[in-house]
Amino acid sequence: DAGITQSPRHKVTETGTPVTLRCHQTENHRYMYWYRQDPGHGLRLIHYSYGVKDTDKGEVSDGYSVSRSKTEDFLLTLESATSSQTSVYFCAISESQGGGNTIYFGEGSWLTVV
Amino acid sequence: AQSVAQPEDQVNVAEGNPLTVKCTYSVSGNPYLFWYVQYPNRGLQFLLKYITGDNLVKGSYGFEAEFNKSQTSFHLKKPSALVSDSALYFCAVRDQAGTALIFGKGTTLSVSS
Repeated sequence: DAGITQSPRHKVTETGTPVTLRCHQTENHRYMYWYRQDPGHGLRLIHYSYGVKDTDKGEVSDGYSVSRSKTEDFLLTLESATSSQTSVYFCAISESQGGGNTIYFGEGSWLTVV
Repeated sequence: AQSVAQPEDQVNVAEGNPLTVKCTYSVSGNPYLFWYVQYPNRGLQFLLKYITGDNLVKGSYGFEAEFNKSQTSFHLKKPSALVSDSALYFCAVRDQAGTALIFGKGTTLSVSS
């Protein structure tokens, strides 16, 4: 298994509260990603990072922000959680970008917004 | 724009029979194609990928996939299914310049004993 740890693994929060999900990797990979998984949609990219303090938006970035202050940590923040953000969130890493580079996934964080 | 289609939401097969999970893609330029498997309440596990070369790619757990450029397909196959193969399977694509993978919606494989 790739050295990816997500925390918390499960969280229930109330609408309007801020939530931060953490991803920690031990592989020293440059690229890190946050995806969300929803039934009927597969996995959709939220944000990704291509280095410390270097991030970019993905397909479904509205309502989310990210930060990467160290190579090993990538944080996903929901500034004000909404019920539509109830989902399973996956962190992923890859050594470099593009082409045939494999992306490896963490075990997921289950978030419920009530 | 890149896209992936998995036309079957669910595939049912009896143990010991061959299985196929279908995937078609759209990408400009050369495609890089991936298959992942997800067991309940777990993350995605990488199975195999096509980069270039031989159209038949072999991967983990006895799975293989056949790349067909003219049909823009990358179907996942296994000669003899196991009950333990029951899981959710995702096909994904990326072009040379792409950073992230684009995923299909997933196909649930159910293998009955």
